[in-house]
Amino acid sequence: DIQMTQSPSFLSASVGDRVTINCKASQNINKYLDWYQQKLGEAPKLLIYNTNSLHTGIPSRFSGSGSGTDFTLTISSLQPEDVATYFCLQHNSGNTFGAGTKLELK
Amino acid sequence: EVQVLESGGGLVQPGNSLKLSCATSGFTFSTAWMYWYRQFPEKRLEWVARIKAKSNNYATDYTESVKGRFTISRDDSKSSIYLQMNNLKEEDTAIYYCAWRGYWGQGVMVTVSS
Repeated sequence: DIQMTQSPSFLSASVGDRVTINCKASQNINKYLDWYQQKLGEAPKLLIYNTNSLHTGIPSRFSGSGSGTDFTLTISSLQPEDVATYFCLQHNSGNTFGAGTKLELK
Repeated sequence: EVQVLESGGGLVQPGNSLKLSCATSGFTFSTAWMYWYRQFPEKRLEWVARIKAKSNNYATDYTESVKGRFTISRDDSKSSIYLQMNNLKEEDTAIYYCAWRGYWGQGVMVTVSS
């Protein structure tokens, strides 16, 4: 089974900061990596699919990059509404989630 | 607009059964691969089951921990999928989500406790 190691587990940043969250796969997953945002009490919401494709309606301050085993979610300028937990999901072989990154405002 | 709506959650005793339903609209259901995911109380997410479309012979896959206990099915005439959960265990306690691609429902809580 493919394991996903997500880092950091917790992140504190200020409005306007550039924020990066990483996921590392235990083996090559090609481009098949998605990023989800989950706000308190809500279902996960897709932000980025297949490494770098922005899902419908998602602000352009969100972007994804990477290939193979190493992937990054970037928020170019943090907004208050971005406070949430972020998960990566690989779907190259089965489906495996990262453990999540809790993002808070400093 | 894509809509995904789960129902059927609740409190059950260990060893008992429960059937979840998921009604959808806003996309071509008959060709869609559909998924069940779950989120445990500690917030960890796990894929539970997948069912492919008729063109893929409605093939199904399950995470190891539910094989032989859970069954995913679909009714294309109702644009719905189901998750029959038998022999439930306390470790199955979670919020269960139905999903098509990146569109998830709001989830239903399943609590297994005596």
